[in-house]
Amino acid sequence: DSGVTQTPKHLITATGQRVTLRCSPRSGDLSVYWYQQSLDQGLQFLIQYYNGEERAKGNILERFSAQQFPDLHSELNLSSLELGDSALYFCASSDGGDYNEQFFGPGTRLTVL
Amino acid sequence: AQSVAQPEDQVNVAEGNPLTVKCTYSVSGNPYLFWYVQYPNRGLQFLLKYITGDNLVKGSYGFEAEFNKSQTSFHLKKPSALVSDSALYFCAVRDGDGGFKTIFGAGTRLFVKA
Repeated sequence: DSGVTQTPKHLITATGQRVTLRCSPRSGDLSVYWYQQSLDQGLQFLIQYYNGEERAKGNILERFSAQQFPDLHSELNLSSLELGDSALYFCASSDGGDYNEQFFGPGTRLTVL
Repeated sequence: AQSVAQPEDQVNVAEGNPLTVKCTYSVSGNPYLFWYVQYPNRGLQFLLKYITGDNLVKGSYGFEAEFNKSQTSFHLKKPSALVSDSALYFCAVRDGDGGFKTIFGAGTRLFVKA
């Protein structure tokens, strides 16, 4: 158990809908990262937050947004969903040090029908 | 821009034999290198990292990796493979020259046959 929790575990929705994925980092970790894992694209870095502020941005679509709250939990919002958004979404956390490893949650599997 | 390559989609090895999973990288500054493992239906787990110092890094579950600056490689190794090592392995790199992104390779699936 990494100490990172993600809810829900599974999510099934329809095209055009909006969903919110939630992540609680390990106790004491200030950084939260979001990744998308799909069969054809591999593991894609989406965005990182550090202590409430956006720190780095990867291949995140404009339809997607994220935030980190004062209690350090984070939410990833996916809107106008398309079939291609079906994937496993991982949250990871670290203490924010430049060379520290990340601890991954179990993931949320999103299926868009 | 930083990048990482895992040239093999799949590696097959017999139990008890040594294994190597390859990784090469490209960064502008000093590299921070990581290996993670993913078991089915699980999140990634950290195995080991290279930041600075000794080129041979030891990690969890008997794995080690060798940093080679001239070849820009960071290959993962284990002297004697176990069937339970069968999983998906990811190499990752972070550019020490002020970059915050960690870029992951495409992953290499390791099959260890009994």
